[in-house]
Amino acid sequence: TQLLEQSPQFLSIQEGENLTVYCNSSSVFSSLQWYRQEPGEGPVLLVTVVTGGEVKKLKRLTFQFGDARKDSSLHITAAQPGDTGLYLCAGGGGLWGAQKLVFGQGTRLTINP
Amino acid sequence: DAGITQSPRHKVTETGTPVTLRCHQTENHRYMYWYRQDPGHGLRLIHYSYGVKDTDKGEVSDGYSVSRSKTEDFLLTLESATSSQTSVYFCAVRLAGGRTGELFFGEGSRLTVL
Repeated sequence: TQLLEQSPQFLSIQEGENLTVYCNSSSVFSSLQWYRQEPGEGPVLLVTVVTGGEVKKLKRLTFQFGDARKDSSLHITAAQPGDTGLYLCAGGGGLWGAQKLVFGQGTRLTINP
Repeated sequence: DAGITQSPRHKVTETGTPVTLRCHQTENHRYMYWYRQDPGHGLRLIHYSYGVKDTDKGEVSDGYSVSRSKTEDFLLTLESATSSQTSVYFCAVRLAGGRTGELFFGEGSRLTVL
C-alpha cells in the first residue's frame, strides 16, 4: 500500500498544453516536497511546502499544499519538452517521523514537440 | 552540491553472492539514506543513518544490512543477493537546516542479480 498516491502515473501531452499532477494521502505531513528525476540521474529537489494552503511558483510550475496538509498538486503551464521527466512527491513528518521521507510512486511526464 | 559518490555505478552478480554498495560524502552530513527505485514504486527507504554507528530500518529492510563506521561512508550490504533485489539503489544525504528534511541524491547504482 502506497502512503502517497500520485496521479496520473503516466502523462504524455503536446508542447504548450497545461497539466496538473496530484499527490494524495490519508495521512497528514509536516512538509511536502517535489522532486524531478531525469534518466540515469538521482532525483533533484524542486520545492518544499510546509503550510496548509501554501502556494509556491517556480517559473511555469505552481505547487500547492492542501489545506489539511494531506495532499499536494503540481501544475505546469505551457509545458515545454524540457519539462519531460519523472516527478516525485515526498512527505516528511507525520506517521514516518521527522527523520524520513516517504515517496509517491511518481508521474512520468512526456512533453512532445 | 552535497558531494555524494556512489560505487559501483553498475554491477551484475549472481543469486546468492554478497554485494556491497558504497556511498561516500564529503560534506559531513549527519543523516544518510539508502533507497531503492523500481518501476511503479517510486523510491522506497531501505535503511538510514543518523550518525556514526547509528542506523535504523526503513520500509523494505529485509535482506539488507548497513554500516556506518565513519561520517563520510554509508555501506549497504546484500548478504546473499536475490533476483528481487535487482533495482537501482540511491544514496541520499539530508541537507542541513530546518525541519523539512530535504534530500540530495547520488547518481544511483544499478544492480542486476541473475
